[in-house]
Amino acid sequence: AQSVTQLGSHVSVSEGALVLLRCNYSSSVPPYLFWYVQYPNQGLQLLLKYTSAATLVKGINGFEAEFKKSETSFHLTKPSAHMSDAAEYFCAVSGPLNAGNMLTFGGGTRLMVKP
Amino acid sequence: EAQVTQNPRYLITVTGKKLTVTCSQNMNHEYMSWYRQDPGLGLRQIYYSMNVEVTDKGDVPEGYKVSRKEKRNFPLILESPSPNQTSLYFCASSDSLFEEKLFFGSGTQLSVL
Repeated sequence: AQSVTQLGSHVSVSEGALVLLRCNYSSSVPPYLFWYVQYPNQGLQLLLKYTSAATLVKGINGFEAEFKKSETSFHLTKPSAHMSDAAEYFCAVSGPLNAGNMLTFGGGTRLMVKP
Repeated sequence: EAQVTQNPRYLITVTGKKLTVTCSQNMNHEYMSWYRQDPGLGLRQIYYSMNVEVTDKGDVPEGYKVSRKEKRNFPLILESPSPNQTSLYFCASSDSLFEEKLFFGSGTQLSVL
């Protein structure tokens, strides 16, 4: 089965600083990879997805992620954090080995942004 | 407006008292799924459905039932809830199994005393 590991359950940055949220996956076939964001008291929303096109994927709200096959990573970055970015972020993987299982999620990383 | 609607938003119940959490989507999606979210564990899939009358177990199906009698509805049933089912539950739907994004409901916070 495929799996996802998010390093760091909590990440704190200052407003204006670089945001880096780490995600590593395990898969024996090229996966589809996703980042979702969850704001307080809301469901998850898609930030961006990788489906074997360009390895650098741009998403909403200035976020982007780079697929690195050699490192089995799909880290999420944003050059300058904003207070409104405070939320929980989930990396997820899907693919043929997940047939019917839609998505496998990582444990989540809560991003805190200090003024 | 495209949406997935879950009800209720909050539910407190006692051990053994049957309950149903409803989920409805208005996007004509074939795929629907239930997840539970627990701190540090992310979201884990309970059951999913690929179409009407087609359902299958996810990663943590024990203690849950589902049905898919109509395309738009996918209720989650707890026949005899236990305290370890206290969790935040999300319903989701999608137009495709692998590539397309999931649309999530707003969640149901369930507490079983």
